Amino acid sequence: GIQVEQSPPDLILQEGANSTLRCNFSDSVNNLQWFHQNPWGQLINLFYIPSGTKQNGRLSATTVATERYSLLYISSSQTTDSGVYFCAVEETSGSRLTFGEGTQLTVNP
Amino acid sequence: NAGVTQTPKFQVLKTGQSMTLQCAQDMNHNSMYWYRQDPGMGLRLIYYSASEGTTDKGEVPNGYNVSRLNKREFSLRLESAAPSQTSVYFCASRRPWDRGIYGYTFGSGTRLTVV
Repeated sequence: GIQVEQSPPDLILQEGANSTLRCNFSDSVNNLQWFHQNPWGQLINLFYIPSGTKQNGRLSATTVATERYSLLYISSSQTTDSGVYFCAVEETSGSRLTFGEGTQLTVNP
Repeated sequence: NAGVTQTPKFQVLKTGQSMTLQCAQDMNHNSMYWYRQDPGMGLRLIYYSASEGTTDKGEVPNGYNVSRLNKREFSLRLESAAPSQTSVYFCASRRPWDRGIYGYTFGSGTRLTVV
């Protein structure tokens, strides 16, 4: 099956800093989603982005499907951005979502 | 529009007990999924149902059974719970292709502890 690798595994920032999270995947995909898991365990969908670039406030994401990677940008980070960020992909041959192991982000005041 | 609803939110079981986790979606989605999340890890697929009347194994199906009761409901059953099944369980549904957009919506999870 498809492999999904996220980096870095852990990231600690001061409030106001910018960050970039990376997701590499091993095969062609129909779908790629970025999720934020908050400290209460809820999975919040951030972006559906199988290709191209999208922006939503301080967050933006870019997927380069031909090179099999996606980037999540967080600008002017806030303490409420803390949590785990997951990248998940659906390969073209299937209809199931495969998750990476996540990036644990801690934003300190 | 409630999305994906899971019950219960928390459960403690003794080893060997059985229970059923319930999941319902009100978005008229065809596909539904059960994942588990262990500490420090991503979500792993247990079972999924591509449409009403069909179910398929995912990455970690051992010790579980599922039932797709109708289009809305997809339940996960533990027949004889083991401590290794202590985890957080997430149900999800998949929106069909619509104007270039489709994606997965997750429930809020069930935190299960087996002692």
